Amino acid sequence: QQPVQSPQAVILREGEDAVINCSSSKALYSVHWYRQKHGEAPVFLMILLKGGEQKGHDKISASFNEKKQQSSLYLTASQLSYSGTYFCGTVSFSGNTPLVFGKGTRLSVIA
Amino acid sequence: NAGVTQTPKFQVLKTGQSMTLQCAQDMNHNSMYWYRQDPGMGLRLIYYSASEGTTDKGEVPNGYNVSRLNKREFSLRLESAAPSQTSVYFCASILESGVPTEAFFGQGTRLTVV
Repeated sequence: QQPVQSPQAVILREGEDAVINCSSSKALYSVHWYRQKHGEAPVFLMILLKGGEQKGHDKISASFNEKKQQSSLYLTASQLSYSGTYFCGTVSFSGNTPLVFGKGTRLSVIA
Repeated sequence: NAGVTQTPKFQVLKTGQSMTLQCAQDMNHNSMYWYRQDPGMGLRLIYYSASEGTTDKGEVPNGYNVSRLNKREFSLRLESAAPSQTSVYFCASILESGVPTEAFFGQGTRLTVV
């Protein structure tokens, strides 16, 4: 079952911040975040494990609330290069459970 | 290292034709996946293989079959293509299913069924 992402799309001006949310109806073991540029394959950003940890990647960071089965991706001081579609992927428990993705959030950063 | 290689990159099929999409990885990963991507639908899991010799259905398996030929290769077959299967198909591999490591994607196959 696909995790649910929100918002579906967002437009930012350079330097503005954004938050992308991801939630699941299942108990989560880990959350993945990927970014896809138009016409390209998704590219890995980060993984978060249960335990409420936060991770960072340049000015992009994320949090994971395992109790609420939610994760959020934070983009601060956005740059033009941040434009693309962001996907969260979830693994519901350890073992052979597959990685499933949400519908994505299209982020457009304009000058 | 090539990573994950998909062939072909583009394909046009007529309704009812069959074809096989090939995927190979050179990272010694155990788990491999096939996703399809349609506008507004995100990446939907078709089939996956947690390890050599095993395959399991994902969210949208109807109309597809898969073969995990060996540890490196995982193919996706459309036996009788339908226009609803027009999509971009991505193969991905992960070191171990369920272990929180990065998924590597191929460059995609853009399939049009007319």
